[in-house]
Amino acid sequence: KNQVEQSPQSLIILEGKNCTLQCNYTVSPFSNLRWYKQDTGRGPVSLTIMTFSENTKSNGRYTATLDADTKQSSLHITASQLSDSASYICVVTSGTYKYIFGTGTRLKVLA
Amino acid sequence: EAGVVQSPRYKIIEKKQPVAFWCNPISGHNTLYWYLQNLGQGPELLIRYENEEAVDDSQLPKDRFSAERLKGVDSTLKIQPAELGDSAVYLCASSLSDLGQGGDEQFFGPGTRLTVL
Repeated sequence: KNQVEQSPQSLIILEGKNCTLQCNYTVSPFSNLRWYKQDTGRGPVSLTIMTFSENTKSNGRYTATLDADTKQSSLHITASQLSDSASYICVVTSGTYKYIFGTGTRLKVLA
Repeated sequence: EAGVVQSPRYKIIEKKQPVAFWCNPISGHNTLYWYLQNLGQGPELLIRYENEEAVDDSQLPKDRFSAERLKGVDSTLKIQPAELGDSAVYLCASSLSDLGQGGDEQFFGPGTRLTVL
């Protein structure tokens, strides 16, 4: 069964600190993996997309990694800001037309 | 460029009443998706359109849910009659094309938060 699991479920960190969110997937066939940021009351917004051959991709303070062998991805946030408080959703595209969403990690950044 | 527009943003109704949600995708995007998102969960696909054709509605509860995308642009999702368990956020998304590449980015609207009392 195609599944995307994220950890931790929730995370609280202090402003300025770094954090890493995890995504493990059992999806086949694999097309790509995206990380989305979803602010409260808003729709998800894409942060990064990674294909099978890509190991790392950055978008400002966000850096995503992908290990296609172990089927794991991580999203690292550097020097967190209050505006990083949101849910982060990992989405794996399987073959054609099929998007498998994780349940998300809820991040809270405190001043 | 305007993003995906949804209305209303919030809707409160009593059970057994009908309700409709409207979505206007990004101009030129021929693929449109409706998702249901429960609190603390990821979105779940309800239906996907390619232009005006519903190409994947396997997860749409057809006894009470219906959708249409006339002229391949705007779309409406309807629930009739609504049940307590339908309380959730209904997200609309669009993408340029889903030509089997599996890689086109989905752009999401802000969602409609439905509360059924």
